[in-house]
Amino acid sequence: DADVTQTPRNRITKTGKRIMLECSQTKGHDRMYWYRQDPGLGLRLIYYSFDVKDINKGEISDGYSVSRQAQAKFSLSLESAIPNQTALYFCATSDLPRDEQFFGPGTRLTVL
Amino acid sequence: QKEVEQNSGPLSVPEGAIASLNCTYSDRGSQSFFWYRQYSGKSPELIMSIYSNGDKEDGRFTAQLNKASQYVSLLIRDSQPSDSATYLCAVNDIYGGATNKLIFGTGTLLAVQP
Repeated sequence: DADVTQTPRNRITKTGKRIMLECSQTKGHDRMYWYRQDPGLGLRLIYYSFDVKDINKGEISDGYSVSRQAQAKFSLSLESAIPNQTALYFCATSDLPRDEQFFGPGTRLTVL
Repeated sequence: QKEVEQNSGPLSVPEGAIASLNCTYSDRGSQSFFWYRQYSGKSPELIMSIYSNGDKEDGRFTAQLNKASQYVSLLIRDSQPSDSATYLCAVNDIYGGATNKLIFGTGTLLAVQP
């Protein structure tokens, strides 16, 4: 089945460490997104990409960077992790015209 | 600031009843509307998408859209305890005449009582 995968699924790290979260998809979608979700809060968009050469900041991009290595791969980096970046991170993909977003299983990140 | 508003709940319904979930949005230009279900600690799962005014039915789920009132709802018939989850409403953001990212509401927690 066409799918969206995320690695790692869980990660515990320390303040100041560089962390990379990876997302891969076999859906053939052009559009990819990174969200974070904190307990009791909604999804917040970090970065999104509409094709390999397109990168856009979302509402909370500070402290994060991304790389779109191929149509199928979109990575999120935390250059210097801090405790308030502890959250559940989701990758999603979509394609026009329907633009339905399909989510990966998520990465639970804990920064100590 | 474009917004999608949902009542956070919890909305409690007895098993077998109809659950009605509501959502309002601020951008009159939005054209695409989505309902997601999210179990605690899991990723959002797409339930329904709706693009034109009226009702759209899929099994026990019915999405209703009223663009004039900027209102979209989700009805769940014959609610089951397994339907207990947070339901997220999402609306597409139109920028420069083109479809852009989705704007998500914060979700309504549904609790179906056995």
